[in-house]
Amino acid sequence: TQLLEQSPQFLSIQEGENLTVYCNSSSVFSSLQWYRQEPGEGPVLLVTVVTGGEVKKLKRLTFQFGDARKDSSLHITAAQPGDTGLYLCAEGGGGATNKLIFGTGTLLAVQP
Amino acid sequence: SAVISQKPSRDICQRGTSLTIQCQVDSQVTMMFWYRQQPGQSLTLIATANQGSEATYESGFVIDKFPISRPNLTFSTLTVSNMSPEDSSIYLCSARGGAWNEQYFGPGTRLTVT
Repeated sequence: TQLLEQSPQFLSIQEGENLTVYCNSSSVFSSLQWYRQEPGEGPVLLVTVVTGGEVKKLKRLTFQFGDARKDSSLHITAAQPGDTGLYLCAEGGGGATNKLIFGTGTLLAVQP
Repeated sequence: SAVISQKPSRDICQRGTSLTIQCQVDSQVTMMFWYRQQPGQSLTLIATANQGSEATYESGFVIDKFPISRPNLTFSTLTVSNMSPEDSSIYLCSARGGAWNEQYFGPGTRLTVT
């Protein structure tokens, strides 16, 4: 069974600071997704990365997929209170029948 | 994308009773999923709900405890049977669509069992 470990587990920072969240797997990802979940809501898809070495930007968020496709990172620049939430990476096996495997999660709190 | 709604949004139930959670998707989807989540923690897959066939359950989850229906391509229900306080959790419905396994989630049902 593939395990997705995220670090750190918890992160509390001040508004304006930068941060990086990591997602590491015991085996190669077919594709990887990042989700953010706010309190009282379901997770919302932020990005999907597929190719080793791929970098995607979403405003102040930068997502990187490792060359070997066994790790990924999410970097947030100048964090804002609206970035507060639970960040989850998930591995989606190729094909319509494979289920998503979620990482352990990173709970981020951005203090104003 | 897909918009997913769940009912109820929250409930407080007594031990020994059952609760059925409804999930409605605004478009037809091939696969629907049910997850459980403790606040602030990751998601655990309960089962995959396939239209026209029995649900596929993950290790640690059984049909007698979590019966699932999937009568059509836009709707599913999850029943939490014979509840105990250990069943207190957030239950999330999810649906899959798109070429790269993109998956969408409902807002969740927060269940408290007393």
